[in-house]
Amino acid sequence: DAGVIQSPRHEVTEMGQEVTLRCKPISGHNSLFWYRQTMMRGLELLIYFNNNVPIDDSGMPEDRFSAKMPNASFSTLKIQPSEPRDSAVYFCASSLWGFHSDAEAFFGQGTRLTVV
Amino acid sequence: RKEVEQDPGPFNVPEGATVAFNCTYSNSASQSFFWYRQDCRKEPKLLMSVYSSGNEDGRFTAQLNRASQYISLLIRDSKLSDSATYLCVVNSPWWNQFYFGTGTSLTVIP
Repeated sequence: DAGVIQSPRHEVTEMGQEVTLRCKPISGHNSLFWYRQTMMRGLELLIYFNNNVPIDDSGMPEDRFSAKMPNASFSTLKIQPSEPRDSAVYFCASSLWGFHSDAEAFFGQGTRLTVV
Repeated sequence: RKEVEQDPGPFNVPEGATVAFNCTYSNSASQSFFWYRQDCRKEPKLLMSVYSSGNEDGRFTAQLNRASQYISLLIRDSKLSDSATYLCVVNSPWWNQFYFGTGTSLTVIP
């Protein structure tokens, strides 16, 4: 399996522009997570989906952030408009969720976002 | 209160030393526990799961204390290649949220 695939790996954009991050989870996994990592705050859970349905988006910082999962093999995280404080590494992870499951989460390589 | 709390370190230890990390979690309903390792500018990767009875994988030993709600990781005979950030993770299959600690930085010195 190719693992969790994220694109782009690096993104530099100007303040005010729209940014779209993409994620392809591991085939067969039914949970998908978006995290943001910064030096100050560590890894923060932004949102997660079970079976393509958003379960908890309480970690999404504000309305400028939105996430979708139109099917089991694809998810996007969009920031519109972007701001310099959004600069961070954004990770997507997937896992196989089920009752009594102790399955781990597998991470993609991340997207390093810089907003100037 | 954060779901998971870790001492961020940094821990700087000589080769061959034994080092221990602790982590506390706030939700007593948490069901699954893990230690992840993250190298600089890389994604987190599973180091080991943590079971109630404690488990060992070579030089690494993980333990869980449900009564006190903490998890520990012991690294014996530290190697230079152990230098990384170690992340404590808790999850519940009921709602499948993986919560990560902020990580503990370890540098093993020659």
